[in-house]
Amino acid sequence: NAGVTQTPKFQVLKTGQSMTLQCAQDMNHEYMSWYRQDPGMGLRLIHYSVGAGITDQGEVPNGYNVSRSTTEDFPLRLLSAAPSQTSVYFCASSYAGQGYEQYFGPGTRLTVT
Amino acid sequence: GENVEQHPSTLSVQEGDSAVIKCTYSDSASNYFPWYKQELGKRPQLIIDIRSNVGEKKDQRIAVTLNKTAKHFSLHITETQPEDSAVYFCAASIPPFTGGGNKLTFGTGTQLKVEL
Repeated sequence: NAGVTQTPKFQVLKTGQSMTLQCAQDMNHEYMSWYRQDPGMGLRLIHYSVGAGITDQGEVPNGYNVSRSTTEDFPLRLLSAAPSQTSVYFCASSYAGQGYEQYFGPGTRLTVT
Repeated sequence: GENVEQHPSTLSVQEGDSAVIKCTYSDSASNYFPWYKQELGKRPQLIIDIRSNVGEKKDQRIAVTLNKTAKHFSLHITETQPEDSAVYFCAASIPPFTGGGNKLTFGTGTQLKVEL
């Protein structure tokens, strides 16, 4: 199993550009989520999904869109990048229901200039 | 929503000493508390977790304790080694209301440095 994969590993954007961060898992997990990690602020939930076709907002959803058309994939779209979105983004997945281990992807380091 | 506070933000110990990291949570409905370790440049990885029907859990050199009344939980690492140096995050989860879900609220992290 590849586990949770993310692409790209690094990305530099100019303000106003849009892009999609890719996330895929091969563990048949129902639950997938996106976090951003900023120094001193821990991991903050952006969006999450409990299954194909079902998504919901987390703590910091503004400026991001998600969709879940398959169990395996959960892309995160930045609509119009801003310097405040400079961060490390982690995707995670787990079985649905509370208490299952969340497996994290390797992360994408995004810089917006 | 849930709020998780974590202290200290940095912790330096001598090899062989014990390290304790503390977290408090705000929502009394929270009932699942995992701890993650993140080495520099790597992804977070689960090291231990505890549920609210258990007061303490141990796994070799690491242990977690939970005080539901006070709404706080702690990570204890004994006989620390240089490879324990990393950032540690606590998290809390409330029961999902409908059909699954595993939302975690994370603390802000503790940078643990184990010095030789």
